[in-house]
Amino acid sequence: SQELEQSPQSLIVQEGKNLTINCTSSKTLYGLYWYKQKYGEGLIFLMMLQKGGEEKSHEKITAKLDEKKQQSSLHITASQPSHAGIYLCGADGIGKTSYDKVIFGPGTSLSVIP
Amino acid sequence: DAGVIQSPRHEVTEMGQEVTLRCKPISGHNSLFWYRQTMMRGLELLIYFNNNVPIDDSGMPEDRFSAKMPNASFSTLKIQPSEPRDSAVYFCASSSTGLAGMTQYFGPGTRLTVL
Repeated sequence: SQELEQSPQSLIVQEGKNLTINCTSSKTLYGLYWYKQKYGEGLIFLMMLQKGGEEKSHEKITAKLDEKKQQSSLHITASQPSHAGIYLCGADGIGKTSYDKVIFGPGTSLSVIP
Repeated sequence: DAGVIQSPRHEVTEMGQEVTLRCKPISGHNSLFWYRQTMMRGLELLIYFNNNVPIDDSGMPEDRFSAKMPNASFSTLKIQPSEPRDSAVYFCASSSTGLAGMTQYFGPGTRLTVL
């Protein structure tokens, strides 16, 4: 969706390295979701960030929402091969003032080399 | 909890045939979503239901696509007649609407190939 962009498109890192994936909306958003997908499988929910600016962590993954920049970042510390997959961000209420429906970004493919 | 259940997991059919995809949402969830994922277009929302009522079907490609949710535990997505460009992975997701938005839980998907 052009409303939601992700960068980089793909990423290859050495195991143990840190990395950051960005998700940028062209309009204001009400909520931001991060999902992970392995090839041939469904999306696994990671975390949700709400309007107002928020930061959440789960194991070695931290996500932040910068409301002013209409951007979210997903940071993985000390990456492991198990982190490999496609990371998708989804924005709710794009250009709205309440929750509406979720539009997903194109995804970032992450490969972690042992 | 068994999670969102989709069937079949794989479907191969010939152009012109009718295809029916099935979804069982997580028990207690009141919203259900159908998505289509392709390399070219990414993950697209086709339609979503709230309390079994279709709320937004603006993503349904054309009249060949239809979706129903006869009760809280079952939904179908039908394509008739199918075309090769319908080949994609179709996901069903469900959520429980609350003040904190709608965190959706996805099924494993149905990989559809139309020859």
